[in-house]
Amino acid sequence: QVQLQESGPGLVKPSQTLSLTCTVSGGSISSGGYYWTWIRQHPGKGLEWIGYIFYSGSTYYNPSLKSRVTISADTSKSHFSLRLSSVTVADTAVYFCAGGIVIDPPHYWGQGTLVTVSS
Amino acid sequence: EIVLTQSPGTLSLSPGERATLSCRASQSVSSSYLAWYQQKLGQAPRLLIYGASSRATGIPDRFSGSGSGTDFTLTITRLEPEDFAVYYCQQYGSSPLTFGGGTKVEIK
Repeated sequence: QVQLQESGPGLVKPSQTLSLTCTVSGGSISSGGYYWTWIRQHPGKGLEWIGYIFYSGSTYYNPSLKSRVTISADTSKSHFSLRLSSVTVADTAVYFCAGGIVIDPPHYWGQGTLVTVSS
Repeated sequence: EIVLTQSPGTLSLSPGERATLSCRASQSVSSSYLAWYQQKLGQAPRLLIYGASSRATGIPDRFSGSGSGTDFTLTITRLEPEDFAVYYCQQYGSSPLTFGGGTKVEIK
Protein backbone atom coordinates (compact mmCIF):
# COMPACT_ATOMS: atom_id res chain seq x y z
CA GLN A 1 0.00 0.00 0.00
CA VAL A 2 1.47 3.30 -1.13
CA GLN A 3 1.57 5.94 1.61
CA LEU A 4 2.57 9.59 1.38
CA GLN A 5 3.64 12.00 4.10
CA GLU A 6 4.27 15.72 3.76
CA SER A 7 6.90 17.53 5.81
CA GLY A 8 8.24 21.06 6.02
CA PRO A 9 7.89 24.38 7.86
CA GLY A 10 4.43 25.37 8.94
CA LEU A 11 5.25 29.06 8.88
CA VAL A 12 6.91 31.02 6.07
CA LYS A 13 7.54 34.75 5.86
CA PRO A 14 6.22 36.81 2.95
CA SER A 15 8.57 36.99 -0.05
CA GLN A 16 10.41 33.84 1.06
CA THR A 17 10.32 30.39 -0.52
CA LEU A 18 7.98 27.68 0.68
CA SER A 19 9.61 24.25 0.62
CA LEU A 20 7.81 20.97 1.26
CA THR A 21 8.81 17.35 0.89
CA CYS A 22 6.62 14.32 0.34
CA THR A 23 8.02 10.97 1.38
CA VAL A 24 6.61 7.98 -0.45
CA SER A 25 6.57 4.53 1.14
CA GLY A 26 5.27 1.24 -0.17
CA GLY A 27 6.30 2.10 -3.71
CA SER A 28 9.04 3.63 -5.81
CA ILE A 29 8.59 7.16 -7.15
CA SER A 30 10.54 6.15 -10.24
CA SER A 31 8.19 3.28 -11.07
CA GLY A 32 7.13 3.42 -14.67
CA GLY A 33 3.71 4.84 -15.28
CA TYR A 34 3.40 6.82 -12.08
CA TYR A 35 3.19 10.54 -11.41
CA TRP A 36 3.41 12.62 -8.24
CA THR A 37 1.57 15.84 -7.64
CA TRP A 38 0.96 18.75 -5.28
CA ILE A 39 -2.50 20.15 -4.62
CA ARG A 40 -3.45 22.87 -2.16
CA GLN A 41 -6.58 23.99 -0.37
CA HIS A 42 -7.01 27.50 0.96
CA PRO A 43 -8.72 27.62 4.37
CA GLY A 44 -12.38 26.78 3.97
CA LYS A 45 -12.08 26.72 0.19
CA GLY A 46 -11.81 24.30 -2.70
CA LEU A 47 -8.86 22.45 -4.21
CA GLU A 48 -6.20 23.88 -6.52
CA TRP A 49 -3.80 21.77 -8.56
CA ILE A 50 -0.22 23.06 -8.39
CA GLY A 51 1.65 20.69 -10.68
CA TYR A 52 3.05 17.21 -11.14
CA ILE A 53 6.18 15.29 -11.96
CA PHE A 54 6.16 12.10 -13.94
CA TYR A 55 8.27 9.00 -13.34
CA SER A 56 10.35 10.14 -16.31
CA GLY A 57 11.13 13.43 -14.58
CA SER A 58 8.93 15.59 -16.80
CA THR A 59 7.04 18.31 -14.99
CA TYR A 60 3.86 20.24 -15.66
CA TYR A 61 2.64 23.21 -13.67
CA ASN A 62 -0.54 25.20 -13.27
CA PRO A 63 -0.05 28.30 -15.44
CA SER A 64 -1.33 30.45 -12.60
CA LEU A 65 1.67 29.41 -10.46
CA LYS A 66 4.19 28.36 -13.09
CA SER A 67 6.56 31.28 -12.66
CA ARG A 68 7.01 30.50 -8.96
CA VAL A 69 6.81 26.69 -8.77
CA THR A 70 9.39 23.93 -8.99
CA ILE A 71 8.62 20.26 -8.39
CA SER A 72 11.53 17.85 -8.21
CA ALA A 73 12.13 14.25 -7.22
CA ASP A 74 14.91 12.43 -5.41
CA THR A 75 14.57 8.78 -6.26
CA SER A 76 17.40 7.77 -3.92
CA LYS A 77 15.41 9.12 -0.98
CA SER A 78 12.01 8.17 -2.37
CA HIS A 79 10.65 11.64 -2.02
CA PHE A 80 9.54 14.53 -4.17
CA SER A 81 9.49 18.19 -3.32
CA LEU A 82 7.70 21.46 -3.87
CA ARG A 83 9.27 24.89 -3.93
CA LEU A 84 7.07 27.97 -4.23
CA SER A 85 8.95 31.24 -4.36
CA SER A 86 7.97 34.80 -3.45
CA VAL A 87 5.07 33.70 -1.27
CA THR A 88 2.33 36.03 -0.05
CA VAL A 89 -0.50 35.59 2.45
CA ALA A 90 -2.55 34.28 -0.48
CA ASP A 91 -0.35 31.18 -0.45
CA THR A 92 -1.54 30.21 3.02
CA ALA A 93 -3.17 26.82 2.53
CA VAL A 94 -3.13 23.14 3.34
CA TYR A 95 -0.73 21.49 0.92
CA PHE A 96 -1.37 17.91 -0.11
CA CYS A 97 0.99 15.62 -1.95
CA ALA A 98 -0.62 12.87 -3.99
CA GLY A 99 0.18 10.34 -6.67
CA GLY A 100 -1.21 7.85 -9.07
CA ILE A 101 -0.97 6.04 -12.36
CA VAL A 102 -0.75 8.07 -15.54
CA ILE A 103 -4.22 8.60 -17.08
CA ASP A 104 -5.81 8.17 -13.64
CA PRO A 105 -6.53 10.83 -11.03
CA PRO A 106 -4.43 10.63 -7.86
CA HIS A 107 -5.38 7.54 -5.85
CA TYR A 108 -2.84 8.09 -3.07
CA TRP A 109 -2.86 11.17 -0.86
CA GLY A 110 -0.88 12.49 2.05
CA GLN A 111 -2.76 13.82 5.07
CA GLY A 112 -1.90 17.42 4.17
CA THR A 113 0.16 20.05 5.94
CA LEU A 114 -0.90 23.60 6.78
CA VAL A 115 1.51 26.30 5.66
CA THR A 116 0.86 29.80 6.94
CA VAL A 117 2.49 32.80 5.31
CA SER A 118 2.91 35.53 7.88
CA SER A 119 5.53 37.92 9.13
CA GLU B 1 -8.84 26.04 -18.59
CA ILE B 2 -11.91 23.88 -18.01
CA VAL B 3 -14.17 25.36 -15.33
CA LEU B 4 -16.25 22.86 -13.35
CA THR B 5 -19.47 24.05 -11.75
CA GLN B 6 -21.02 21.86 -9.06
CA SER B 7 -24.61 22.03 -7.93
CA PRO B 8 -26.23 22.33 -5.56
CA GLY B 9 -23.83 24.04 -3.18
CA THR B 10 -25.45 22.28 -0.25
CA LEU B 11 -27.71 19.24 -0.15
CA SER B 12 -29.70 18.62 3.04
CA LEU B 13 -30.85 15.01 3.27
CA SER B 14 -31.63 12.31 5.82
CA PRO B 15 -29.81 8.99 6.19
CA GLY B 16 -31.28 6.44 3.81
CA GLU B 17 -32.20 9.04 1.20
CA ARG B 18 -30.75 9.28 -2.31
CA ALA B 19 -28.26 12.03 -3.16
CA THR B 20 -27.72 13.33 -6.68
CA LEU B 21 -24.81 15.69 -7.25
CA SER B 22 -24.10 17.50 -10.49
CA CYS B 23 -20.87 18.64 -12.13
CA ARG B 24 -21.00 20.69 -15.32
CA ALA B 25 -17.89 21.49 -17.36
CA SER B 26 -17.32 24.65 -19.41
CA GLN B 27 -16.09 22.46 -22.28
CA SER B 28 -16.07 18.77 -23.08
CA VAL B 29 -13.97 16.67 -20.71
CA SER B 30 -11.49 14.62 -22.69
CA SER B 31 -12.16 10.86 -22.67
CA SER B 32 -14.45 11.22 -19.67
CA TYR B 33 -11.45 11.92 -17.47
CA LEU B 34 -13.72 13.03 -14.65
CA ALA B 35 -13.26 12.03 -11.01
CA TRP B 36 -15.23 12.45 -7.81
CA TYR B 37 -13.76 12.84 -4.33
CA GLN B 38 -15.18 12.83 -0.83
CA GLN B 39 -13.59 15.06 1.79
CA LYS B 40 -14.33 15.13 5.49
CA LEU B 41 -13.22 17.93 7.81
CA GLY B 42 -9.49 17.83 8.48
CA GLN B 43 -8.87 14.96 6.07
CA ALA B 44 -7.45 14.56 2.60
CA PRO B 45 -9.82 13.99 -0.28
CA ARG B 46 -10.67 10.34 -0.92
CA LEU B 47 -11.03 9.16 -4.51
CA LEU B 48 -14.46 7.67 -5.15
CA ILE B 49 -14.95 7.59 -8.91
CA TYR B 50 -12.62 7.94 -11.91
CA GLY B 51 -13.21 7.76 -15.62
CA ALA B 52 -16.65 9.21 -14.87
CA SER B 53 -18.10 5.87 -13.75
CA SER B 54 -15.42 3.52 -12.37
CA ARG B 55 -15.37 3.03 -8.62
CA ALA B 56 -12.00 3.27 -6.91
CA THR B 57 -10.77 0.37 -4.82
CA GLY B 58 -12.82 -0.22 -1.69
CA ILE B 59 -15.62 2.19 -2.57
CA PRO B 60 -19.10 0.83 -1.74
CA ASP B 61 -21.47 0.22 -4.63
CA ARG B 62 -23.96 2.76 -3.28
CA PHE B 63 -21.68 5.33 -4.96
CA SER B 64 -22.03 5.58 -8.72
CA GLY B 65 -20.94 8.04 -11.37
CA SER B 66 -22.35 8.76 -14.79
CA GLY B 67 -22.19 11.25 -17.60
CA SER B 68 -19.99 12.34 -20.48
CA GLY B 69 -19.02 15.43 -22.39
CA THR B 70 -19.92 18.35 -20.16
CA ASP B 71 -22.46 16.87 -17.73
CA PHE B 72 -21.62 14.44 -14.97
CA THR B 73 -23.48 13.07 -11.95
CA LEU B 74 -22.52 11.40 -8.70
CA THR B 75 -25.30 9.37 -7.10
CA ILE B 76 -25.34 7.96 -3.59
CA THR B 77 -28.29 5.57 -3.51
CA ARG B 78 -28.82 5.33 0.26
CA LEU B 79 -26.99 7.78 2.44
CA GLU B 80 -25.12 6.27 5.36
CA PRO B 81 -24.10 8.45 8.35
CA GLU B 82 -20.48 8.40 7.19
CA ASP B 83 -21.43 9.82 3.75
CA PHE B 84 -22.15 13.31 5.06
CA ALA B 85 -19.19 15.27 3.74
CA VAL B 86 -18.09 17.58 0.93
CA TYR B 87 -17.81 16.15 -2.58
CA TYR B 88 -15.62 17.51 -5.36
CA CYS B 89 -15.44 16.69 -9.03
CA GLN B 90 -12.15 16.99 -10.91
CA GLN B 91 -11.22 16.83 -14.57
CA TYR B 92 -7.82 15.38 -15.35
CA GLY B 93 -7.95 15.22 -19.13
CA SER B 94 -6.67 18.71 -19.82
CA SER B 95 -3.98 20.82 -18.23
CA PRO B 96 -4.39 22.54 -15.89
CA LEU B 97 -6.25 19.94 -13.88
CA THR B 98 -9.24 21.64 -12.28
CA PHE B 99 -11.70 20.97 -9.49
CA GLY B 100 -15.29 22.01 -8.96
CA GLY B 101 -16.22 24.19 -6.03
CA GLY B 102 -17.74 21.32 -4.07
CA THR B 103 -21.15 20.15 -2.84
CA LYS B 104 -21.71 19.77 0.88
CA VAL B 105 -24.04 16.92 1.80
CA GLU B 106 -25.39 17.67 5.25
CA ILE B 107 -27.77 15.95 7.61
CA LYS B 108 -31.28 17.34 7.40
